[in-house]
Amino acid sequence: DSGVTQTPKHLITATGQRVTLRCSPRSGDLSVYWYQQSLDQGLQFLIQYYNGEERAKGNILERFSAQQFPDLHSELNLSSLELGDSALYFCASSVTGDGTDTQYFGPGTRLTVL
Amino acid sequence: GQQVMQIPQYQHVQEGEDFTTYCNSSTTLSNIQWYKQRPGGHPVFLIQLVKSGEVKKQKRLTFQFGEAKKNSSLHITATQTTDVGTYFCAGKGHDMRFGAGTRLTVKP
Repeated sequence: DSGVTQTPKHLITATGQRVTLRCSPRSGDLSVYWYQQSLDQGLQFLIQYYNGEERAKGNILERFSAQQFPDLHSELNLSSLELGDSALYFCASSVTGDGTDTQYFGPGTRLTVL
Repeated sequence: GQQVMQIPQYQHVQEGEDFTTYCNSSTTLSNIQWYKQRPGGHPVFLIQLVKSGEVKKQKRLTFQFGEAKKNSSLHITATQTTDVGTYFCAGKGHDMRFGAGTRLTVKP
């Protein structure tokens, strides 16, 4: 158990819908990362937050947005869903978020878009 | 932009054989990390390399960071069935980027 929690574990929805994925970082970690992992694919970095502020942005679609709240939990919002958005979405957290510390990954949310 | 390439994409070995995965960056890295993801699991941190030419060992695993800090490798000696999974490198340039991973399968 990494200490990072993600909800829900599974999500099944239809094209065109909007969903919200939630992540709670490890206690004491200020930075949260979001990744997308499609079937048999690597980890695609989406976005990173540090203490409530956006720190780095990867290949995140305009249909996707995220935020980190004052209690440090984070949400990833996916809208106008397409079939190709079906994937495993991981959240990770780290203490400083400067790339020199360990990222602790949550168990992931598996999104299926029908 | 910064890219981290990892090869091979897949590797199938007989138990007891060695295994190596390679990671190459288009830019100089300040550090590189390696993660392992077991089937159905999430990535788990293995190690971090920071210094040019650094070599670190964890039992049967040997990690190297190139002299130019643009490449790295992970070598597993005498693979076991418990080594199965996908191994990812993650390099810190402007920001942290993961390689596509090498999926290792081990035949008993």
